Parts: sequence; C-alpha cells; structure tokens
Amino acid sequence: QQQVKQSPQSLIVQKGGISIINCAYENTAFDYFPWYQQFPGKGPALLIAIRPDVSEKKEGRFTISFNKSAKQFSLHIMDSQPGDSATYFCAARGYNQGGKLIFGQGTELSVKP
Amino acid sequence: NAGVTQTPKFQVLKTGQSMTLQCAQDMNHEYMSWYRQDPGMGLRLIHYSVGAGITDQGEVPNGYNVSRSTTEDFPLRLLSAAPSQTSVYFCASRGVADRGSEQYFGPGTRLTVT
Repeated sequence: QQQVKQSPQSLIVQKGGISIINCAYENTAFDYFPWYQQFPGKGPALLIAIRPDVSEKKEGRFTISFNKSAKQFSLHIMDSQPGDSATYFCAARGYNQGGKLIFGQGTELSVKP
Repeated sequence: NAGVTQTPKFQVLKTGQSMTLQCAQDMNHEYMSWYRQDPGMGLRLIHYSVGAGITDQGEVPNGYNVSRSTTEDFPLRLLSAAPSQTSVYFCASRGVADRGSEQYFGPGTRLTVT
C-alpha cells in the first residue's frame, strides 16, 4: 500500500519555467511533509518542509503548497534552472509512525537550457 | 562533522553470499534508518532504530538484519543475498528531540547481486 503517491514520474521544463510536482497522502496522522532533492550518485538532501498548520511555505524559488482537506501537497520551482535538474522526493511523517519517513516514488526533473 | 558515512560505495555479490553494509554518524543522533532505492519505487524503509539497543522493521525488512549496539553505528546485514536485493542502499539519521528535525542521508552503497 503506497501511503504517499507522487506525480509525475518525470518532468521536462524549459529554463525559466515553473516546475510543479504533486503528492497525495492517505494517513491523516501525518504531520510533517518534507521535500528532498537528489543529484545523481548522491544521497537525498532536505530541500524544504511544511507542517499542516500552514497552507504555503516559500524558500527562495521553492514553494510548498499544502491542501489539508484534499490531503495533497505540491512543490513549485519558480524560474527553473538547469542546476535544478535532479530527482525530487516528497515524504511524510506522522506522530504515531514511530518517526518513520515515508517517501513518494520520486520525480526526475530535467530543465532544458 | 563527517555527517553520515557509508561503506562500501560499491559491492558485487553472488547469490547466497552474505555481507554487512556499514553506516556511521557523528551527530549524536538517536534515530537511524536504512532505505533501499529502486527505479520507480522511491525510497523504501527497511529497518530503523530509535536508539542503542532498539530496532524495528520498516516496509521491506525481509532478507535483512540490523543491530544497534552504539549510538554511532547501524550496520545492515544481508544473510543470503538474492538478485532482488540489487539496489542502492541509503542510511539516514536524525535527532528525535524535535519532531520536525531534518533527516540526513549518507552517500549510498550500490549493491549488485548476480
């Protein structure tokens, strides 16, 4: 059972465009939603995270939008750059989950110059 | 701080062989975990530990054993390797004092079982 579903699996965006990656979750006990960025040959690294008490969080060109009623959250990358080309994972963790971080399937983003 | 370190970086095993993937962290983190990454599957939790002497199973624990004798180390053992265990393995750690504390990942071990 996939607790966190991520789409699309791959995404191609032109330089300067907006990249949007979506995630949906099922477990209402989730209360922490991070996004991780992974470059080839490297481990994932935390990009930005949000809690369900806010609907949006912005850090530079990266924004998380959160819809608690729909159990969905998304990552928006504004003014996408070739250096943003990486795999992005959404994740979720709940207070009753023993600290476990559950990941989505990943999105491979390619930003074309 | 070295952060989370993993050894080896690459490993090739024959079916039935055993091996241990090493993981260490120098951040005094209580929580450590092992994930495997496969194309289209994301990162799946194998085992995790909330402190020395305490371990528990994740989503895909079959074929793997773990132990946590110290805060710093969390080795993952493959008792009898199978081709289905060909994957990239990541170790991660975080402190537990803050529910939203960042989880740090190691650089990964790429394992091929023939």
